[in-house]
Amino acid sequence: QKEVEQDPGPLSVPEGAIVSLNCTYSNSAFQYFMWYRQYSRKGPELLMYTYSSGNKEDGRFTAQVDKSSKYISLFIRDSQPSDSATYLCAMSLSGAGSYQLTFGKGTKLSVIP
Amino acid sequence: KAGVTQTPRYLIKTRGQQVTLSCSPISGHRSVSWYQQTPGQGLQFLFEYFSETQRNKGNFPGRFSGRQFSNSRSEMNVSTLELGDSALYLCASSSMPGQPYEQYFGPGTRLTVT
Repeated sequence: QKEVEQDPGPLSVPEGAIVSLNCTYSNSAFQYFMWYRQYSRKGPELLMYTYSSGNKEDGRFTAQVDKSSKYISLFIRDSQPSDSATYLCAMSLSGAGSYQLTFGKGTKLSVIP
Repeated sequence: KAGVTQTPRYLIKTRGQQVTLSCSPISGHRSVSWYQQTPGQGLQFLFEYFSETQRNKGNFPGRFSGRQFSNSRSEMNVSTLELGDSALYLCASSSMPGQPYEQYFGPGTRLTVT
């Protein structure tokens, strides 16, 4: 079993739809939870991060972490064609000054105009 | 500020050869991490350098090695290339310890092994 599981999709939605992306994980020691967006031929860029459990909102994006279920989600409201990309969840331990991230395989999202 | 730069962007090598990839972090950043991205395995951590010292290493064979210079630029080397080494190699830079969310990725080097 991989440490982080993410449905690779592809996921295709009409413009304006609410998108839900999810990851599950097995290592209960993870404390930082990140969502990255990766466009074709580009490196990943950080969308949002959450420390420990809870929700975080940034514009059209909402990240949720449920540590009891080892489950994280990213919601995109009013999706736009420019949101079409691969979305990667990533997790990290806390402390020790290490930057090592453990990634899901990514979900490819297409938003159809 | 200029972003993370990686050179070359594309590379084609033959099985058995070796390759060196380069990464220049964002100015002022002292930590560099390397990741391998493949369709089958996704993004996997290779190693992390901070102030010229390797702080962490992923589960890759010894053919994969790296180093960091005093100006924070980093190189990674893969010896005796195998077909399975074909991947996008990503470099990420960070400034402060203990902030795993503060990693800025470069565009990657696409390595094809034939």
